[in-house]
Amino acid sequence: LAKTTQPISMDSYEGQEVNITCSHNNIATNDYITWYQQFPSQGPRFIIQGYKTKVTNEVASLFIPADRKSSTLSLPRVSLSDTAVYYCLVGYYNTDKLIFGTGTRLQVFP
Amino acid sequence: GAVVSQHPSRVICKSGTSVKIECRSLDFQATTMFWYRQFPKQSLMLMATSNEGSKATYEQGVEKDKFLINHASLTLSTLTVTSAHPEDSSFYICSARAGLQETQYFGPGTRLLVL
Repeated sequence: LAKTTQPISMDSYEGQEVNITCSHNNIATNDYITWYQQFPSQGPRFIIQGYKTKVTNEVASLFIPADRKSSTLSLPRVSLSDTAVYYCLVGYYNTDKLIFGTGTRLQVFP
Repeated sequence: GAVVSQHPSRVICKSGTSVKIECRSLDFQATTMFWYRQFPKQSLMLMATSNEGSKATYEQGVEKDKFLINHASLTLSTLTVTSAHPEDSSFYICSARAGLQETQYFGPGTRLLVL
């Protein structure tokens, strides 16, 4: 399983775009990249998943460069309710067990 | 996304007693379920993987006789913490996957407090 590295914490203000970058230098050819969001005392919530280039849904965008050794979760115009911990995970298209890293604690200020 | 529920949401028990936590996939059949434990301010730690109809696979350092997992049906997995002690107090989270190449969805978690 590829190990991921993320910033421990990030601060932002409401209305700003937030980009959280995750490093996964040892990502394997068949690995996908998945991001989850977790609020205190709740289970993680699936945000987005991708393999290469760019993926966008109603919540976020995921940018993956050609070498796939990193990925960036982009949250457009964050609000206070986006304050949470964001986890980046890699694994073979969900067939692997998910091993969580430290995650990035995002704090959004008014 | 798919819905996974857990019951109870929180439980308080006395040291030495056993506690059962249920994890259900409400709108899909889960061939694989996972159990995690999370201590305050820490990340999720995978405890075990359970496949319907077979024995669970435990992660290194997790006592299988203490944390009994049963995945008797495609929609239900249970975690029983036997002879609970205060150090077992934690947030237990399950997740479920419909099959290979399917997204993993998480339950809301169960807060266990052992007095």
